[in-house]
Amino acid sequence: EIVMTQSPATLSVSSGERVTLSCRASQSVSSNLAWYQQKPGQAPRLLIYDASTRATGIPARFSGSGSGTEFTLTISSLQSEDFAIYYCQQYNNWPPYTFGQGTKLEIK
Amino acid sequence: QVQLVESGGGVVQPGTSLGLSCAASGFTFTKYDMHWVRQAPGKGLEWVAAVDYAGRTTYYVDSVKGRFTISRDNSKNTLYLQMNSLRAEDTSVYFCAKGSGNDWYDYFDSWGQGTLVTVSS
Repeated sequence: EIVMTQSPATLSVSSGERVTLSCRASQSVSSNLAWYQQKPGQAPRLLIYDASTRATGIPARFSGSGSGTEFTLTISSLQSEDFAIYYCQQYNNWPPYTFGQGTKLEIK
Repeated sequence: QVQLVESGGGVVQPGTSLGLSCAASGFTFTKYDMHWVRQAPGKGLEWVAAVDYAGRTTYYVDSVKGRFTISRDNSKNTLYLQMNSLRAEDTSVYFCAKGSGNDWYDYFDSWGQGTLVTVSS
């Protein structure tokens, strides 16, 4: 099973800041990596797939990079609606498909 | 647009069974793998089970193997999850999720709103 590790667990940031979230895989997942955003009481929403491709309707301030075992999600200028929990997920080796434990963005 | 609507959640006692359904619309259901993903209260996301586009091949996370069965009825555009021998640790919101394709290299591009399953005596 591939273990996905996200860091940090919580990030306190202010609106307008640039933020970078990290995701590490226990073995290579090539570029088969997705990022999701989840707000309280809601279903997750796909942000990024194939490590760097924005999903339909996702603002350009969200970008993804990386391959192999190291990945990052960057939000170029944080908006109020971006405070949420972010998960990475690998889909290179299954079963199981595995998620990171999440990074919570909170308001500083 | 894609709509996934789960139903069937509720409160059940340990050791009993429960069936979930997910009605799909807005896309060609027969072309995509489908998945169940769960989230325990205050916890992260855990993939549970998957079925291929034709309903022939299934996969499960180890913790539910032998207890849960995923299936689909392509004539009804509906995904199912039959859960038997339920345990307290199965308590979660269960999300139906659409796979991105039909080759198992699936990310989850659409999600239902989730249905809560509570296992408690």
